[in-house]
Amino acid sequence: QKEVEQNSGPLSVPEGAIASLNCTYSDRGSQSFFWYRQYSGKSPELIMFIYSNGDKEDGRFTAQLNKASQYVSLLIRDSQPSDSATYLCAVRATGRRALTFGSGTRLQVQP
Amino acid sequence: DAGVIQSPRHEVTEMGQEVTLRCKPISGHNSLFWYRQTMMRGLELLIYFNNNVPIDDSGMPEDRFSAKMPNASFSTLKIQPSEPRDSAVYFCASSLVPRLTWTSGRDLPDTQYFGPGTRLTVL
Repeated sequence: QKEVEQNSGPLSVPEGAIASLNCTYSDRGSQSFFWYRQYSGKSPELIMFIYSNGDKEDGRFTAQLNKASQYVSLLIRDSQPSDSATYLCAVRATGRRALTFGSGTRLQVQP
Repeated sequence: DAGVIQSPRHEVTEMGQEVTLRCKPISGHNSLFWYRQTMMRGLELLIYFNNNVPIDDSGMPEDRFSAKMPNASFSTLKIQPSEPRDSAVYFCASSLVPRLTWTSGRDLPDTQYFGPGTRLTVL
């Protein structure tokens, strides 16, 4: 079992719709959870992080964390074609600074 | 702020040659990470430095790989000898771990900022 699992996609949504990206992790000691966006041929860029159960909103993005279910998600409201990219879920365990990344979900927003 | 700087951006070399990748972290950051990204394995940690000291090198594949951080503004990742399976994109990332993490024992989150990467092809 991979430590961080994501559906590889592609996830295709129409412009203006809500895109829902999901991630599960195996280490119950994980403390911090990050969502990165990576355009093809580019480096990952941080969208947001969350470390408390519940929702965290930042503009069109909402991260949701459920530690009991070991589940973290990212919602993108009013999806735009420019949101088309691969979204990487990353998890950091307590006492460990390095991130463990999922394989990423490719999102396609259709105009 | 220039962000994390990596060089070269592209490297093509032949099997058996030595390869050196370079990274300049964001000024003021105290942690530096080397990651490798391939289609098969995704993005995986190679080594992590804090205050120029290697803390976690569990991801370094084998003795052919070595990393150094002689000062707070420079790090190198060396592969000698290189092999075709080393072909990947190598990313350097840096972050500022809050001082309170070390003094209070609280595990405060830090944000890692990635450089543009070095695309390495070993023929």
